[in-house]
Amino acid sequence: AQTVTQSQPEMSVQEAETVTLSCTYDTSESDYYLFWYKQPPSRQMILVIRQEAYKQQNATENRFSVNFQKAAKSFSLKISDSQLGDAAMYFCAYRRGGGATNKLIFGTGTLLAVQP
Amino acid sequence: DGGITQSPKYLFRKEGQNVTLSCEQNLNHDAMYWYRQDPGQGLRLIYYSQIVNDFQKGDIAEGYSVSREKKESFPLTVTSAQKNPTAFYLCASSIPTGRYSNQPQHFGDGTRLSIL
Repeated sequence: AQTVTQSQPEMSVQEAETVTLSCTYDTSESDYYLFWYKQPPSRQMILVIRQEAYKQQNATENRFSVNFQKAAKSFSLKISDSQLGDAAMYFCAYRRGGGATNKLIFGTGTLLAVQP
Repeated sequence: DGGITQSPKYLFRKEGQNVTLSCEQNLNHDAMYWYRQDPGQGLRLIYYSQIVNDFQKGDIAEGYSVSREKKESFPLTVTSAQKNPTAFYLCASSIPTGRYSNQPQHFGDGTRLSIL
């Protein structure tokens, strides 16, 4: 069975600095997708960034980028120029590809605090 | 605007009582999902439905039931058999997999269920 591990329960970053959140996963599949979701205090889940396993290029969305290391099964999220609004719980998620169901497997989350 | 509406926002259950959480979407998505969120455990899949009149158990289906009579609606019933129902419940929807496998799930704002 696939698993997703986020080893950092809490992280803190100064405003305008850069922070990296870690995520590792375990799978025997070769076709899959990885996601980072943000959950602010409002509790709504917001997609931050996604990565297809078949793509070697790391995904980037404005201040958010990933470091996808397929062989190491690592999928870290880098937040540059951190802002107060980035404070939230961040979840890493995995989904099988190849026409399988769209079920997501989530990690336990990392709570990010942004210090002014 | 398209989106997912969950109601109520807060719900209280008495011992031995069944309660139903509502989830409605106007995104024209075929697939819908129910997740349970507990502190320190991330999101866990309860039930999912890929198409109307069909649904499958997720990882923690015991004590829950669902129906999918309409594409837009996927209500979740927390039965009296669920001995520890206190949690935050999130509903999601998505386009089915296949050519659109990288499409994310969209989430509602959640329902917090507590025992009286």
